[in-house]
Amino acid sequence: GQQLNQSPQSMFIQEGEDVSMNCTSSSIFNTWLWYKQEPGEGPVLLIALYKAGELTSNGRLTAQFGITRKDSFLNISASIPSDVGIYFCAGRPGAANQGGSEKLVFGKGMKLTVNP
Amino acid sequence: NAGVMQNPRHLVRRRGQEARLRCSPMKGHSHVYWYRQLPEEGLKFMVYLQKENIIDESGMPKERFSAEFPKEGPSILRIQQVVRGDSAAYFCASSPWNNEQFFGPGTRLTVL
Repeated sequence: GQQLNQSPQSMFIQEGEDVSMNCTSSSIFNTWLWYKQEPGEGPVLLIALYKAGELTSNGRLTAQFGITRKDSFLNISASIPSDVGIYFCAGRPGAANQGGSEKLVFGKGMKLTVNP
Repeated sequence: NAGVMQNPRHLVRRRGQEARLRCSPMKGHSHVYWYRQLPEEGLKFMVYLQKENIIDESGMPKERFSAEFPKEGPSILRIQQVVRGDSAAYFCASSPWNNEQFFGPGTRLTVL
């Protein structure tokens, strides 16, 4: 089945630093989503991307849908302690105009630690 | 605006018992998805349902697992004769149609 390779697996940064993470796939995706999960909770949607090349921001977060449709990245600028958590990329496989699947495929997550 | 609701939040079962996990989608959402998450892993798709229909169950084990989303009431994920390997967090997500999925808080199943 489809797999998403998410990197890095973890990061330890100082408050105020920027952080970047990315996700790659061997097959094309028609949607890329970035979620954050905190302990004991479900994933919370941060950013959704629907078009190749799309660049979208949500506050200090910026994400892009790669033009090959096989990758996406998420940047967090000026990190703060509450950014701590696990960040997941997720994608919807296939070409949208060919009836791509509804299910989401998830990466393994990137655990972010922010030192005050 | 209530989000996706799941209950129970924690469930403990002995091997061989049945587990029933419930999911109430967000108001106006008619699409429900179930995912399973093992420790230190991402979520794995199990099943996608619309009202009274199973659309895609390609991620669901063929035996012991079943799901339904009746015309009235919550979606139910049922695991019969649970085994230790079923211990995981089970998440439900809902969407109004072909776009973002919003997740509930999950049910943490522990099989003793």
